[in-house]
Amino acid sequence: LAKTTQPISMDSYEGQEVNITCSHNNIATNDYITWYQQFPSQGPRFIIQGYKTKVTNEVASLFIPADRKSSTLSLPRVSLSDTAVYYCLVFRGAGSYQLTFGKGTKLSVIP
Amino acid sequence: GAVVSQHPSWVICKSGTSVKIECRSLDFQATTMFWYRQFPKQSLMLMATSNEGSKATYEQGVEKDKFLINHASLTLSTLTVTSAHPEDSSFYICSAPATGRNTEAFFGQGTRLTVV
Repeated sequence: LAKTTQPISMDSYEGQEVNITCSHNNIATNDYITWYQQFPSQGPRFIIQGYKTKVTNEVASLFIPADRKSSTLSLPRVSLSDTAVYYCLVFRGAGSYQLTFGKGTKLSVIP
Repeated sequence: GAVVSQHPSWVICKSGTSVKIECRSLDFQATTMFWYRQFPKQSLMLMATSNEGSKATYEQGVEKDKFLINHASLTLSTLTVTSAHPEDSSFYICSAPATGRNTEAFFGQGTRLTVV
């Protein structure tokens, strides 16, 4: 599976839009991109998933350029409760549920 | 949405004893579940894939005789840490894929194991 690289940490003020970019240069044709959020001492929680272009749901947007070698998770107007670790993962679709976690990005939202 | 529940949330045990952690899918069936381990300030590391009705598949470096996995029903997988040692102290998390959606996995709340 493609290895992912994302910033170790980011800081943001409340109310700002936060963009976390992940690179996955060796992504394969069958691979999907998914993002998870993890609070301390809790299991990860699914945020969003995409294959190409743009995906939006009630909590985030995911931008994937045409070459799919990177993706950007966009969190609009973050609040203190968005302080967490965000993981970008690439997984092989069509029934492959095994997820390999990288180091993640620790987002700290500052009042 | 679908819920995966782990029990207990935390446990303290003495060295040399065994501890069982349960992972249940509450409103869906899961033929496959995954067990992860997470040390402080580190990422999740996949330990094994639990398969209902068959043997678990362990990742390289994970001792199958130490971490016993049983997936006896479509809603329950258990991880037993046998002869626990302080270095086994960690955060153990299970997950199950969402039925019909090959994209999302539901994670339990995790179990904090402390071996003293």
